[in-house]
Amino acid sequence: DTAVSQTPKYLVTQMGNDKSIKCEQNLGHDTMYWYKQDSKKFLKIMFSYNNKELIINETVPNRFSPKSPDKAHLNLHINSLELGDSAVYFCASSRSGENSPLHFGNGTRLTVT
Amino acid sequence: AQRVTQPEKLLSVFKGAPVELKCNYSYSGSPELFWYVQYSRQRLQLLLRHISRESIKGFTADLNKGETSFHLKKPFAQEEDSAMYYCALSSSGGYQKVTFGTGTKLQVIP
Repeated sequence: DTAVSQTPKYLVTQMGNDKSIKCEQNLGHDTMYWYKQDSKKFLKIMFSYNNKELIINETVPNRFSPKSPDKAHLNLHINSLELGDSAVYFCASSRSGENSPLHFGNGTRLTVT
Repeated sequence: AQRVTQPEKLLSVFKGAPVELKCNYSYSGSPELFWYVQYSRQRLQLLLRHISRESIKGFTADLNKGETSFHLKKPFAQEEDSAMYYCALSSSGGYQKVTFGTGTKLQVIP
Protein backbone atom coordinates (compact mmCIF):
# COMPACT_ATOMS: atom_id res chain seq x y z
CA ASP A 1 0.00 0.00 0.00
CA THR A 2 3.02 2.26 -0.59
CA ALA A 3 1.82 5.74 -1.42
CA VAL A 4 4.78 7.00 -3.49
CA SER A 5 7.13 4.35 -4.83
CA GLN A 6 10.37 4.79 -6.71
CA THR A 7 12.48 2.26 -8.54
CA PRO A 8 15.24 1.41 -8.35
CA LYS A 9 16.30 2.10 -4.80
CA TYR A 10 19.98 2.03 -5.71
CA LEU A 11 21.58 2.73 -9.05
CA VAL A 12 25.29 2.43 -9.72
CA THR A 13 26.50 3.25 -13.19
CA GLN A 14 29.44 4.61 -15.12
CA MET A 15 29.95 8.07 -16.53
CA GLY A 16 28.40 8.58 -19.93
CA ASN A 17 25.61 6.05 -19.46
CA ASP A 18 21.90 6.80 -19.73
CA LYS A 19 19.58 5.74 -16.91
CA SER A 20 15.98 6.13 -15.82
CA ILE A 21 14.25 6.33 -12.46
CA LYS A 22 10.56 5.56 -12.19
CA CYS A 23 8.01 6.98 -9.79
CA GLU A 24 4.40 6.08 -9.17
CA GLN A 25 1.87 7.38 -6.67
CA ASN A 26 -1.47 5.86 -5.71
CA LEU A 27 -2.74 8.80 -3.67
CA GLY A 28 -4.83 10.29 -6.44
CA HIS A 29 -2.66 13.40 -6.47
CA ASP A 30 -2.31 15.39 -9.64
CA THR A 31 0.98 17.12 -8.94
CA MET A 32 4.31 15.31 -8.87
CA TYR A 33 7.86 16.47 -8.27
CA TRP A 34 11.48 15.46 -8.52
CA TYR A 35 13.90 16.67 -5.87
CA LYS A 36 17.65 16.16 -5.69
CA GLN A 37 19.40 15.70 -2.34
CA ASP A 38 23.15 16.15 -2.59
CA SER A 39 25.92 14.87 -0.35
CA LYS A 40 25.43 17.80 2.04
CA LYS A 41 21.75 16.86 2.37
CA PHE A 42 20.61 19.98 0.49
CA LEU A 43 17.20 19.33 -1.03
CA LYS A 44 16.51 21.14 -4.27
CA ILE A 45 13.51 20.98 -6.56
CA MET A 46 14.20 19.92 -10.12
CA PHE A 47 10.81 19.54 -11.79
CA SER A 48 7.12 19.70 -11.05
CA TYR A 49 4.28 18.33 -13.14
CA ASN A 50 0.59 19.01 -12.79
CA ASN A 51 -1.77 16.71 -14.68
CA LYS A 52 1.07 15.56 -16.93
CA GLU A 53 2.15 19.11 -17.76
CA LEU A 54 5.50 20.56 -16.78
CA ILE A 55 5.02 23.57 -14.51
CA ILE A 56 8.39 23.95 -12.77
CA ASN A 57 11.80 23.43 -14.34
CA GLU A 58 14.54 24.71 -12.08
CA THR A 59 17.54 25.30 -14.33
CA VAL A 60 18.28 21.63 -14.61
CA PRO A 61 20.68 20.51 -17.39
CA ASN A 62 19.05 19.28 -20.57
CA ARG A 63 20.48 15.86 -19.86
CA PHE A 64 17.63 15.43 -17.38
CA SER A 65 14.30 14.78 -19.05
CA PRO A 66 11.19 14.06 -17.00
CA LYS A 67 8.27 12.24 -18.54
CA SER A 68 4.76 11.94 -17.19
CA PRO A 69 2.68 9.37 -19.09
CA ASP A 70 -0.24 9.97 -16.74
CA LYS A 71 -0.79 11.88 -13.56
CA ALA A 72 0.12 8.90 -11.38
CA HIS A 73 3.58 8.51 -12.91
CA LEU A 74 6.59 10.76 -13.27
CA ASN A 75 9.78 9.22 -14.59
CA LEU A 76 13.21 10.81 -14.78
CA HIS A 77 15.59 9.99 -17.59
CA ILE A 78 19.21 11.09 -17.39
CA ASN A 79 21.51 11.10 -20.41
CA SER A 80 25.30 11.10 -20.40
CA LEU A 81 25.64 10.73 -16.67
CA GLU A 82 28.34 12.76 -14.93
CA LEU A 83 30.07 12.31 -11.57
CA GLY A 84 28.22 15.34 -10.21
CA ASP A 85 24.90 13.63 -10.80
CA SER A 86 25.59 11.34 -7.87
CA ALA A 87 22.90 12.10 -5.31
CA VAL A 88 19.67 10.83 -3.86
CA TYR A 89 16.70 11.63 -6.05
CA PHE A 90 13.30 11.93 -4.38
CA CYS A 91 9.97 11.78 -6.08
CA ALA A 92 7.03 13.45 -4.34
CA SER A 93 3.39 14.15 -4.97
CA SER A 94 0.70 16.44 -3.64
CA ARG A 95 -2.81 17.60 -4.36
CA SER A 96 -2.92 20.58 -6.64
CA GLY A 97 -3.68 23.95 -5.22
CA GLU A 98 -2.00 25.83 -2.52
CA ASN A 99 -0.26 24.53 0.50
CA SER A 100 -0.84 20.83 0.16
CA PRO A 101 1.88 18.85 1.93
CA LEU A 102 4.25 16.74 -0.12
CA HIS A 103 4.35 12.96 0.11
CA PHE A 104 7.79 11.59 -0.67
CA GLY A 105 9.07 8.34 -2.05
CA ASN A 106 11.96 6.48 -0.43
CA GLY A 107 14.50 7.97 -2.77
CA THR A 108 16.86 6.55 -5.37
CA ARG A 109 20.55 6.68 -4.52
CA LEU A 110 22.42 7.25 -7.76
CA THR A 111 26.17 6.67 -7.81
CA VAL A 112 28.10 7.56 -10.93
CA THR A 113 31.61 6.12 -11.13
CA ALA B 1 12.04 34.95 -4.74
CA GLN B 2 11.40 32.68 -1.81
CA ARG B 3 14.16 31.54 0.50
CA VAL B 4 14.38 29.42 3.62
CA THR B 5 17.34 29.62 5.97
CA GLN B 6 18.27 27.10 8.62
CA PRO B 7 21.42 28.46 10.24
CA GLU B 8 22.45 25.31 12.09
CA LYS B 9 23.74 22.31 10.20
CA LEU B 10 24.02 20.26 13.37
CA LEU B 11 22.35 20.62 16.73
CA SER B 12 23.37 18.34 19.58
CA VAL B 13 21.36 18.23 22.79
CA PHE B 14 21.14 15.88 25.73
CA LYS B 15 18.11 13.73 26.24
CA GLY B 16 15.52 15.64 28.24
CA ALA B 17 16.88 19.03 27.24
CA PRO B 18 14.78 21.56 25.30
CA VAL B 19 15.19 21.73 21.54
CA GLU B 20 14.83 24.67 19.20
CA LEU B 21 15.54 24.30 15.51
CA LYS B 22 15.71 27.68 13.83
CA CYS B 23 14.09 28.59 10.55
CA ASN B 24 13.84 31.98 8.89
CA TYR B 25 12.17 32.70 5.59
CA SER B 26 12.02 35.35 2.93
CA TYR B 27 8.86 35.64 0.86
CA SER B 28 6.87 38.58 -0.44
CA GLY B 29 3.46 36.90 -0.25
CA SER B 30 1.59 35.12 2.51
CA PRO B 31 3.66 32.06 3.34
CA GLU B 32 2.65 28.56 4.24
CA LEU B 33 5.38 26.96 6.36
CA PHE B 34 6.08 23.32 7.04
CA TRP B 35 8.53 21.17 8.94
CA TYR B 36 9.56 17.87 7.39
CA VAL B 37 11.62 15.18 9.10
CA GLN B 38 13.86 12.49 7.68
CA TYR B 39 14.79 9.68 10.06
CA SER B 40 17.82 7.58 9.24
CA ARG B 41 17.30 5.65 6.00
CA GLN B 42 13.67 6.70 5.75
CA ARG B 43 11.75 8.97 3.45
CA LEU B 44 11.03 12.59 4.17
CA GLN B 45 7.72 12.99 5.88
CA LEU B 46 5.62 15.89 7.02
CA LEU B 47 6.04 16.69 10.69
CA LEU B 48 3.75 19.68 11.00
CA ARG B 49 2.42 22.73 9.20
CA HIS B 50 1.77 26.12 10.65
CA ILE B 51 -1.81 26.35 9.46
CA SER B 52 -2.76 23.32 11.54
CA ARG B 53 -1.44 24.79 14.78
CA GLU B 54 -0.94 21.29 16.11
CA SER B 55 1.65 19.50 18.19
CA ILE B 56 3.17 16.39 16.64
CA LYS B 57 5.44 14.10 18.67
CA GLY B 58 5.72 16.93 21.18
CA PHE B 59 6.98 19.40 18.59
CA THR B 60 5.38 22.78 17.98
CA ALA B 61 6.21 25.65 15.67
CA ASP B 62 4.82 29.17 15.65
CA LEU B 63 4.86 31.43 12.66
CA ASN B 64 6.23 34.85 13.58
CA LYS B 65 5.61 37.13 10.62
CA GLY B 66 7.36 40.07 12.27
CA GLU B 67 10.58 38.11 12.59
CA THR B 68 9.87 35.96 9.51
CA SER B 69 10.60 32.88 11.56
CA PHE B 70 9.09 29.44 12.05
CA HIS B 71 11.25 27.82 14.71
CA LEU B 72 10.58 24.22 15.74
CA LYS B 73 10.50 23.54 19.46
CA LYS B 74 10.19 20.66 21.83
CA PRO B 75 10.48 20.98 25.62
CA PHE B 76 12.16 17.62 26.27
CA ALA B 77 14.23 15.89 23.60
CA GLN B 78 14.01 12.11 23.15
CA GLU B 79 16.59 9.85 21.51
CA GLU B 80 14.11 8.94 18.80
CA ASP B 81 13.98 12.59 17.77
CA SER B 82 17.44 12.27 16.25
CA ALA B 83 16.91 12.97 12.55
CA MET B 84 17.33 15.52 9.79
CA TYR B 85 14.79 18.35 9.96
CA TYR B 86 13.86 20.52 7.02
CA CYS B 87 11.90 23.73 7.13
CA ALA B 88 9.91 24.39 3.96
CA LEU B 89 7.94 27.24 2.46
CA SER B 90 5.13 26.88 -0.02
CA SER B 91 4.34 29.72 -2.40
CA SER B 92 0.81 31.05 -2.61
CA GLY B 93 -1.10 31.76 -5.78
CA GLY B 94 -1.08 29.48 -8.79
CA TYR B 95 0.91 26.29 -8.78
CA GLN B 96 2.64 25.31 -5.60
CA LYS B 97 6.38 25.62 -5.36
CA VAL B 98 7.94 24.26 -2.20
CA THR B 99 11.37 25.53 -1.21
CA PHE B 100 13.33 23.68 1.44
CA GLY B 101 15.94 24.96 3.83
CA THR B 102 19.34 23.32 3.98
CA GLY B 103 18.29 21.12 6.88
CA THR B 104 19.43 20.72 10.47
CA LYS B 105 20.64 17.44 11.83
CA LEU B 106 19.37 16.95 15.36
CA GLN B 107 21.46 14.63 17.48
CA VAL B 108 20.04 13.69 20.88
CA ILE B 109 22.71 12.41 23.21
CA PRO B 110 21.58 9.74 25.67
